[in-house]
Amino acid sequence: NAGVMQNPRHLVRRRGQEARLRCSPVKGHSHVYWYRQLPEEGLKFMVYLQKENIIDESGMPKERFSAEFPKEGPSILRIQQVVRGDSAAYFCASARALSTEAFFGQGTRLTVV
Amino acid sequence: RKEVEQDPGPFNVPEGATVAFNCTYSNSASQSFFWYRQDCRKEPKLLMSVYSSGNEDGRFTAQLNRASQYISLLIRDSKLSDSATYLCVVTYTDKLIFGTGTRLQVFP
Repeated sequence: NAGVMQNPRHLVRRRGQEARLRCSPVKGHSHVYWYRQLPEEGLKFMVYLQKENIIDESGMPKERFSAEFPKEGPSILRIQQVVRGDSAAYFCASARALSTEAFFGQGTRLTVV
Repeated sequence: RKEVEQDPGPFNVPEGATVAFNCTYSNSASQSFFWYRQDCRKEPKLLMSVYSSGNEDGRFTAQLNRASQYISLLIRDSKLSDSATYLCVVTYTDKLIFGTGTRLQVFP
């Protein structure tokens, strides 16, 4: 059984470019969470999605950030016009149902130069 | 007040020691509780769920006290490989809310 798959593992972008982070949940899981982690800091909730729906995006910056989880294919976290402060590890987790255990992917480490 | 609070540590303990971590949460309507472990620069991994009746998995015991709104993790007979950051996780409505973690360093 494949776990949560995130790609790319490492992503380098110049300031002003777009970053696309992909997350394929565990097979059968329809709940996806995205978190951001800065060095030496804790995990910060960004967004919670179910298939084709954004349920809670209260942790997402209002501008430049968007997320989707289409009917087919992986969940995508998109960051437009990246800035140095966007450099972080972005983790995706999936769960079978609300309030059940979530399993994490290995993360995407975004570096903005 | 933070939604989930943990002592950041670090807890430095010798091999074989018993160590306990606590975590408090602010919302009494929180529904589910978990402990995760995160090694440096890696993804969090589920350690165990936490139930009101308490649960044990080998050297690890977790307890939940709903009245006082805290959960605990006890590690017996610490191993070098237990060195990591332990994350307390609480669910409330649709969010998994993470504490900032407690660092454990086990030394020989």
